[in-house]
Amino acid sequence: QKEVEQDPGPLSVPEGAIVSLNCTYSNSAFQYFMWYRQYSRKGPELLMYTYSSGNKEDGRFTAQVDKSSKYISLFIRDSQPSDSATYLCAMMNSGNTPLVFGKGTRLSVIA
Amino acid sequence: GAVVSQHPSWVICKSGTSVKIECRSLDFQATTMFWYRQFPKQSLMLMATSNEGSKATYEQGVEKDKFLINHASLTLSTLTVTSAHPEDSSFYICSARDPSQDTGELFFGEGSRLTVL
Repeated sequence: QKEVEQDPGPLSVPEGAIVSLNCTYSNSAFQYFMWYRQYSRKGPELLMYTYSSGNKEDGRFTAQVDKSSKYISLFIRDSQPSDSATYLCAMMNSGNTPLVFGKGTRLSVIA
Repeated sequence: GAVVSQHPSWVICKSGTSVKIECRSLDFQATTMFWYRQFPKQSLMLMATSNEGSKATYEQGVEKDKFLINHASLTLSTLTVTSAHPEDSSFYICSARDPSQDTGELFFGEGSRLTVL
């Protein structure tokens, strides 16, 4: 079993839809959870950051972490064509350890 | 936010030649930088951890003699792909953490796309 599992998609939704992206993981030591967005041929940029379990909201984006189930989610409300990108989940044990990435989910929001 | 700059963003070379990629932290000092490789439609795979003033730590399966990493200053790490072959064609991305921030967020460079003919 890979440390981090993420469905690569692709996922295609109409503009305005609610998008749900998720990852599962096997390492119970992970404490820091992040979602990165990567546009084609660009480096990833941080979208959301969560420490331990709980929810975090930032504008149209909500990140959820359920450590008991080893499951994290990213929700995008009122999706826009500009949200079309690959979304990578990432996690790590502590602030000094390397990030472990999921495969990324390719999202297309159709106008 | 912190900025990490990578150069070149795109390079084509002949098989057997060496290519150097630079990674700079522009507004912070990074004692540690991370080098990732990403194949098409694949995730980022950590290649090595670059440590300022000491040897890099390579992940299992990454040839340290082929992928030379030098971290000579607190703002610059270089990755040299030696005797490049077509199978080395990939997207190479560096990243670093700003030690003044306690979130552990990794800031990524824009990536360098290497094509070996």
